[in-house]
Amino acid sequence: GAVVSQHPSWVICKSGTSVKIECRSLDFQATTMFWYRQFPKQSLMLMATSNEGSKATYEQGVEKDKFLINHASLTLSTLTVTSAHPEDSSFYICSARARDRGGNTIYFGEGSWLTVV
Amino acid sequence: DAKTTQPPSMDCAEGRAANLPCNHSTISGNEYVYWYRQIHSQGPQYIIHGLKNNETNEMASLIITEDRKSSTLILPHATLRDTAVYYCIVRYDTGNQFYFGTGTSLTVIP
Repeated sequence: GAVVSQHPSWVICKSGTSVKIECRSLDFQATTMFWYRQFPKQSLMLMATSNEGSKATYEQGVEKDKFLINHASLTLSTLTVTSAHPEDSSFYICSARARDRGGNTIYFGEGSWLTVV
Repeated sequence: DAKTTQPPSMDCAEGRAANLPCNHSTISGNEYVYWYRQIHSQGPQYIIHGLKNNETNEMASLIITEDRKSSTLILPHATLRDTAVYYCIVRYDTGNQFYFGTGTSLTVIP
């Protein structure tokens, strides 16, 4: 299957600072990428959908000014958590849509653990 | 996208077949059934998907009922490494968002 890579795998930052997480599609072009957040023992929650070259579409309740998403190329999307606080500590996962046989499969990155101290 | 209902947890003996059910009674004719799994602290892994016909790949088989209101993911010979949370998702082929339910936590027992 297609490969999606995230970087960094884990990051610790101080409260009030910003942190950027990168998501790359390594062997395909992704016109659409998705960002999820997952708290311990919970399911994945969709935060936003980003289309290459346009503004991201945020899910209800997700602050667009806090979670900045940029999808500048067909292989790269970034999520910046601005003015991070301890409650932003979570597992952040990106995914990308790849066209393949008879469907529209989504492939996920390995996830990025964010800890805000 | 149609909602799905899955049992919260299941156990399966190692080497036996694991059958994971999913109800999607409000599925529409153009919505696909996708299965993913998430091993602890990793990103979800694609398993299989289908529309109407049963599907099989190297990982699993997907059985979709004739009325398409439910499906079963079959892991033919479960191993300890198959212990994970399994998610059943229905969505349009051209659909954008991909929403996860609560999934089924499968534990493979030695």
